[in-house]
Amino acid sequence: DTAVSQTPKYLVTQMGNDKSIKCEQNLGHDTMYWYKQDSKKFLKIMFSYNNKELIINETVPNRFSPKSPDKAHLNLHINSLELGDSAVYFCASSLGLSEGGAYEQYFGPGTRLTVT
Amino acid sequence: DAKTTQPNSMESNEEEPVHLPCNHSTISGTDYIHWYRQLPSQGPEYVIHGLTSNVNNRMASLAIAEDRKSSTLILHRATLRDAAVYYCILRAHSGAGSYQLTFGKGTKLSVIP
Repeated sequence: DTAVSQTPKYLVTQMGNDKSIKCEQNLGHDTMYWYKQDSKKFLKIMFSYNNKELIINETVPNRFSPKSPDKAHLNLHINSLELGDSAVYFCASSLGLSEGGAYEQYFGPGTRLTVT
Repeated sequence: DAKTTQPNSMESNEEEPVHLPCNHSTISGTDYIHWYRQLPSQGPEYVIHGLTSNVNNRMASLAIAEDRKSSTLILHRATLRDAAVYYCILRAHSGAGSYQLTFGKGTKLSVIP
């Protein structure tokens, strides 16, 4: 069974459209994340949710809105898509913090978004 | 955030050991050292982490310098499947910042058959 899944795997759309990427984890984790990997392969955190509560919101345009309906899902909605939004978006999950520091993160396979 | 420095690329022959270095001279006393790798066209994958002592798991070993200003990820026998970009990441022990992974450029490891 897939631990962290994302849909769709590929998404091609035109500028100005609104789109969503879905993420689901079946690991029983209480923390989920969205990362963006640009064309230069740099991976950057966008958002982090712990128990459905937003705990990290990096400098991301407010056109990006994460939504966590429950602990197993963290969806990413993007309004008014721009050319610069083209990238690979990775969802991840982990347990929360322990006395020994943060647990490892498990990543999904990624969604390649192409804006034309 | 404390930064890490890694070589851009390294090569290894198949079935040879590989030592991937990482410098983190500004590491704080409570930062954990994490290693992730990203195979081509896949999401990052956790490899190993440690604080002060050397660590071993089924994937690799992590050797941490006594002053903690550097560490080395050791793959005991490189296989073609180990060809990936390896990231050395410092993670805070607590607070909101501990939840995120701050990726650098990593080291691209090529394995030669």
